[in-house]
Amino acid sequence: AQRVTQPEKLLSVFKGAPVELKCNYSYSGSPELFWYVQYSRQRLQLLLRHISRESIKGFTADLNKGETSFHLKKPFAQEEDSAMYYCALIVNNNDMRFGAGTRLTVKP
Amino acid sequence: DAGITQSPRYKITETGRQVTLMCHQTWSHSYMFWYRQDLGHGLRLIYYSAAADITDKGEVPDGYVVSRSKTENFPLTLESATRSQTSVYFCASEREGLGELFFGEGSRLTVL
Repeated sequence: AQRVTQPEKLLSVFKGAPVELKCNYSYSGSPELFWYVQYSRQRLQLLLRHISRESIKGFTADLNKGETSFHLKKPFAQEEDSAMYYCALIVNNNDMRFGAGTRLTVKP
Repeated sequence: DAGITQSPRYKITETGRQVTLMCHQTWSHSYMFWYRQDLGHGLRLIYYSAAADITDKGEVPDGYVVSRSKTENFPLTLESATRSQTSVYFCASEREGLGELFFGEGSRLTVL
């Protein structure tokens, strides 16, 4: 089955600490993976995509095909990073599947 | 305002009633999507559309009907609502080929 798994529903870290949100995928072809974020009272929006190899708001994500993972990392978490994070995978044409999401709380 | 809008934002209905959720976008994006968001399941794709008059089933299409007679509109209809369809529904559109979805604010539907 083609799917995305985010094993942590909740993640809490202190401000300034490193954070890693886990994402594992199951896909037979070459995956196109994304991270989306939903801040409180805001719309769900794209954070980053693996093909761009970009760093957005200090976040990076590396595709590891051997481990079928696409974990999202930030070396020093900020309180404004508190949000719901979704990992997503395109499985067929533009059929994008999302994981269950991880709620990140960054404590002061 | 340009963008993607959903209506109604909140709806309470009864089991067996027909409900239509509206979605309108002003960018002329080819692709549009309907997702439902449920605790523990994240977002699950209901239906999507590649263009006017072209629609495809997603992961959880049962109990839903869509149409796309115009590029800018993509209504989602629950023909006979059930309690299991209580959820938050999100419409989205995509700039073709980039994988970036633009989401609406969501429609919270409660089926009693």
